[in-house]
Amino acid sequence: RKEVEQDPGPFNVPEGATVAFNCTYSNSASQSFFWYRQDCRKEPKLLMSVYSSGNEDGRFTAQLNRASQYISLLIRDSKLSDSATYLCVVNRDDKIIFGKGTRLHILP
Amino acid sequence: DTEVTQTPKHLVMGMTNKKSLKCEQHMGHRAMYWYKQKAKKPPELMFVYSYEKLSINESVPSRFSPECPNSSLLNLHLHALQPEDSALYLCASSQGGAGYHEQYFGPGTRLTVT
Repeated sequence: RKEVEQDPGPFNVPEGATVAFNCTYSNSASQSFFWYRQDCRKEPKLLMSVYSSGNEDGRFTAQLNRASQYISLLIRDSKLSDSATYLCVVNRDDKIIFGKGTRLHILP
Repeated sequence: DTEVTQTPKHLVMGMTNKKSLKCEQHMGHRAMYWYKQKAKKPPELMFVYSYEKLSINESVPSRFSPECPNSSLLNLHLHALQPEDSALYLCASSQGGAGYHEQYFGPGTRLTVT
């Protein structure tokens, strides 16, 4: 089993819809969790850190469930500009593990 | 200013060449990273410097040689590369100890080995 797994995608979603990404991790000692987005041929950009209490930034909500070992990202009222690959990142000690990413296409 | 800069943006080199990639940040971050990314794959961690000391080497071949001259600069020296080393090379930095904090990525150097 891979240490970090994401929905394989791609997700093709109409503009205005709500999109949910999930990411599971296998090591319960994992310590910090992040979501990044990456546009084609660009660098990853930090979207959100993920905390046990959950956190929200505008249309984006991230949640962490330590008991079930997954993190989620919800995008509400999706925009065309949300089209990108979404990467889940899990850190444990000095190990930094990226998920394979889920490609999102927002359709007009 | 959450900016990490990398030079050059593009690099084409032959298998016998020696070249260097450069990365700079002025955010006062104490951890800096090199990643390699192939098309349609996630970034793969290569090296981590934490407080200017190499803390992680993910079994990277010796033809890649990192250097951290000071807390703001990170270099990656390349020698005798193979065509399969062609990829996007990303630098990142974060506060404090490696892995615990958000990483900020530079725009990358797109490397082609001929």
